[in-house]
Amino acid sequence: ETGVTQTPRHLVMGMTNKKSLKCEQHLGHNAMYWYKQSAKKPLELMFVYNFKEQTENNSVPSRFSPECPNSSHLFLHLHTLQPEDSALYLCASSQGSSGVQETQYFGPGTRLLVL
Amino acid sequence: SQQGEEDPQALSIQEGENATMNCSYKTSINNLQWYRQNSGRGLVHLILIRSNEREKHSGRLRVTLDTSKKSSSLLITASRAADTASYFCATDWTGANSKLTFGKGITLSVRP
Repeated sequence: ETGVTQTPRHLVMGMTNKKSLKCEQHLGHNAMYWYKQSAKKPLELMFVYNFKEQTENNSVPSRFSPECPNSSHLFLHLHTLQPEDSALYLCASSQGSSGVQETQYFGPGTRLLVL
Repeated sequence: SQQGEEDPQALSIQEGENATMNCSYKTSINNLQWYRQNSGRGLVHLILIRSNEREKHSGRLRVTLDTSKKSSSLLITASRAADTASYFCATDWTGANSKLTFGKGITLSVRP
């Protein structure tokens, strides 16, 4: 176990549904990340939070809405998704922003299928 | 693009053999990291090598970094079937707003 948990592990949703992905880290880290992993494509960084403040939004469509209530929890709210949003969504955490990217610890991911 | 590119895309070897995977990148970096991912799971950090280092070891793993060629290699010695996974290099490039950038990964299959 990496100390980063994600729920649910699998999610099937229709295009009109609203759902949320949850990530929790037990490592005392200050930075948290959402990534999207699609088949045959590099890992795509979506959002970065440092000390609960969003520091990166990598041109992600507004149907993805992140929330970071504290340094240990990160949510990704989903609404009116498209089939091409089906992917593995990975959460990660790291020590914190120091200008240099150190080791990131990943959760097991949520496998999302949009019908 | 700043992302690293791994080579080969896929590698199949016999148990006990060594596996060598390469990563090339385009811009100056602070460090380079290797991660492993088992099918459908999250990434697990293997090793980090800083730009002023040339070689690091961790158990059966050996990583080299050549900043003049902008390339790195990951060597897994005496491979095991359990090493079957995808391996990714990630670069932390220098500059404002640096972030880790991952390659597409290498699929390693180790045959028992």
